[in-house]
Amino acid sequence: QQQVKQSPQSLIVQKGGIPIINCAYENTAFDYFPWYQQFPGKGPALLIAIRPDVSEKKEGRFTISFNKSAKQFSLHIMDSQPGDSATYFCAALSQETSGSRLTFGEGTQLTVNP
Amino acid sequence: DGGITQSPKYLFRKEGQNVTLSCEQNLNHDAMYWYRQDPGQGLRLIYYSQIVNDFQKGDIAEGYSVSREKKESFPLTVTSAQKNPTAFYLCASSQQGTYGYTFGSGTRLTVV
Repeated sequence: QQQVKQSPQSLIVQKGGIPIINCAYENTAFDYFPWYQQFPGKGPALLIAIRPDVSEKKEGRFTISFNKSAKQFSLHIMDSQPGDSATYFCAALSQETSGSRLTFGEGTQLTVNP
Repeated sequence: DGGITQSPKYLFRKEGQNVTLSCEQNLNHDAMYWYRQDPGQGLRLIYYSQIVNDFQKGDIAEGYSVSREKKESFPLTVTSAQKNPTAFYLCASSQQGTYGYTFGSGTRLTVV
């Protein structure tokens, strides 16, 4: 049961471009939406996160836009660099009686060409 | 440095054999998690544990087993019942009341 849908599956941009990755969710009980960055052979690392009561959050060149009514959120990378080439995952956290659970999107493989 | 250690980084096993993946954390985190990663499918939750001696099944628990005898350790056993065990396995931990997950560097299991 996929509760977080992510698109596109892959994305290629030129250096300086602004790649945009989109995610949609179904479960309104999600209360935290992080983005993770993963390089080949490594574990994911937290990049930026947002709570559903905020519509936008910026950290450096990374921005999350959040649309609660549409149940969608997106990651924008400003002035993208070749070093940003990685796989990006959106995720959503739910609090359950058995503890918190993080549900991930399918991932987007980003390539930034020099 | 605090973190999560997964070992080994690469593991090869013959079909039909059980194999145990190690996950150790020194972050003093309460909760620990196991995820499986396959190309194009994101990370899928196998098992998670909020406290010692207690754990819950995730979305794809069939063919896997875990134990949580110590706060810092959460080993995952891939049993012969798992139909397609070749994958990249990731362990994570988090502190109760916070939202951030810390991931290990993963173990790539190949079953031949």
